[in-house]
Amino acid sequence: GAVVSQHPSWVICKSGTSVKIECRSLDFQATTMFWYRQFPKQSLMLMATSNEGSKATYEQGVEKDKFLINHASLTLSTLTVTSAHPEDSSFYICSARDPGRNSYEQYFGPGTRLTVT
Amino acid sequence: SQQGEEDPQALSIQEGENATMNCSYKTSINNLQWYRQNSGRGLVHLILIRSNEREKHSGRLRVTLDTSKKSSSLLITASRAADTASYFCATDHTGANSKLTFGKGITLSVRP
Repeated sequence: GAVVSQHPSWVICKSGTSVKIECRSLDFQATTMFWYRQFPKQSLMLMATSNEGSKATYEQGVEKDKFLINHASLTLSTLTVTSAHPEDSSFYICSARDPGRNSYEQYFGPGTRLTVT
Repeated sequence: SQQGEEDPQALSIQEGENATMNCSYKTSINNLQWYRQNSGRGLVHLILIRSNEREKHSGRLRVTLDTSKKSSSLLITASRAADTASYFCATDHTGANSKLTFGKGITLSVRP
C-alpha cells in the first residue's frame, strides 16, 4: 500500500516548451502532495506544497508562474514547467502523505528526470 | 533553508561492518525521519523517530535521537552490498501536513 507513481519517468524537451509531470497516489487519497527538485548529488529542495482543491503553497524563491501546480483530485497532482530552460533540467520528485494511516511519513514517487536542450 | 546536516558526507565500508551516519538540526522538531535513495530513484522511508523518543529499531536499523544536542544517528548493522545508497535525514517541525526539510545526504558504499 501507499504507492505513488510519477509520469513520465524521464523527458527531454526543447528550450521554450512546457512539460507536464504527473504525480498519482495509487491506493490512497492524498489531500496534500509535495514537489521537490534534486540536482545531481545534492539534497531534495522542496518547491511547493500542493493542496487538493486549493492553490499550491510555494517555497521562497520558487517562481509560481514558471512551475504551475494543479491538484485537481485527491489522487493526482501535476507540475507543469513552463517555458523550460536548460537550467530547469533536474530530477523532480513528488511525495504524498496518507492521512488514512495517521502517519507522518511521506511516500515518494520514483522521480522524473527532465532534460531541457 | 536546510535543516538537517548529515555527516560524514561519504562513507565506504566493507560488507558485514556497521555503518553509522549522523544528522544534526537547528530548530525544534516534531519528528525526524531517515530516507534512503538509490541512484536516480525516488526515496524510500526507513524509519521515523518522534521527538519524545530516544531510540527505535527496525530490522538492521537503529536510530537514536538526542533532542538536547539536536542530533540523530542511524546505524545499519551487518551491512550488505545492497545497502549502497544515499541516506537522508529529514526533519518535520510540526507534524500533520508539515513539510520535511532534508539534509544534504550521505553516500554509503558497501564493498562486497
